[in-house]
Amino acid sequence: GAVVSQHPSWVICKSGTSVKIECRSLDFQATTMFWYRQFPKQSLMLMATSNEGSKATYEQGVEKDKFLINHASLTLSTLTVTSAHPEDSSFYICSATSGRTGNDEQFFGPGTRLTVL
Amino acid sequence: AQSVTQLDSQVPVFEEAPVELRCNYSSSVSVYLFWYVQYPNQGLQLLLKYLSGSTLVKGINGFEAEFNKSQTSFHLRKPSVHISDTAEYFCAVSFAGGGNKLTFGTGTQLKVEL
Repeated sequence: GAVVSQHPSWVICKSGTSVKIECRSLDFQATTMFWYRQFPKQSLMLMATSNEGSKATYEQGVEKDKFLINHASLTLSTLTVTSAHPEDSSFYICSATSGRTGNDEQFFGPGTRLTVL
Repeated sequence: AQSVTQLDSQVPVFEEAPVELRCNYSSSVSVYLFWYVQYPNQGLQLLLKYLSGSTLVKGINGFEAEFNKSQTSFHLRKPSVHISDTAEYFCAVSFAGGGNKLTFGTGTQLKVEL
């Protein structure tokens, strides 16, 4: 199956700093990438949908100025958590798909554990 | 609006016993249904999906699920579980024209015991 990687796998940062997380599709071109957030023992909550070459679409309640998403190429999307605070600590997961029809499989990255001190 | 309900937050089962993980959904339009498995500190892996056609869908690792439109359910089953099946299982739904956006259930922790 298709492979999606995330870097870093875990990161610890100080409050007030910014952190960038990369999501890459290794063997396919991802027209769409998704960013999810998962709190301990909870489900995945969609944060935003990112289409290559266009602005990301954020879900209701997600601050677009705090969670900056860039999808500059068909194989790379980045999520930057700006001015991170302890409440931003979470498991961030990306997924990628090569289609737009609704039944295209999403391939998930292994996730990035962010801890803000 | 769509929603997905997984009523069982935890399901303990003995090894080699059968298991069913329940999933119900709500949607006013046609849906596509998915089951994912998540091992600790990892991303999600697709177990199986229902897009159309036969309502009984077979997936990886011996899992299967049946789409029941009248009951708006998509329960996941395995006739004989193994210790290695211990993981978190998520039911998810997307719909035609929704651009592949997935709505996830709250997950079911399957714990297989000896």
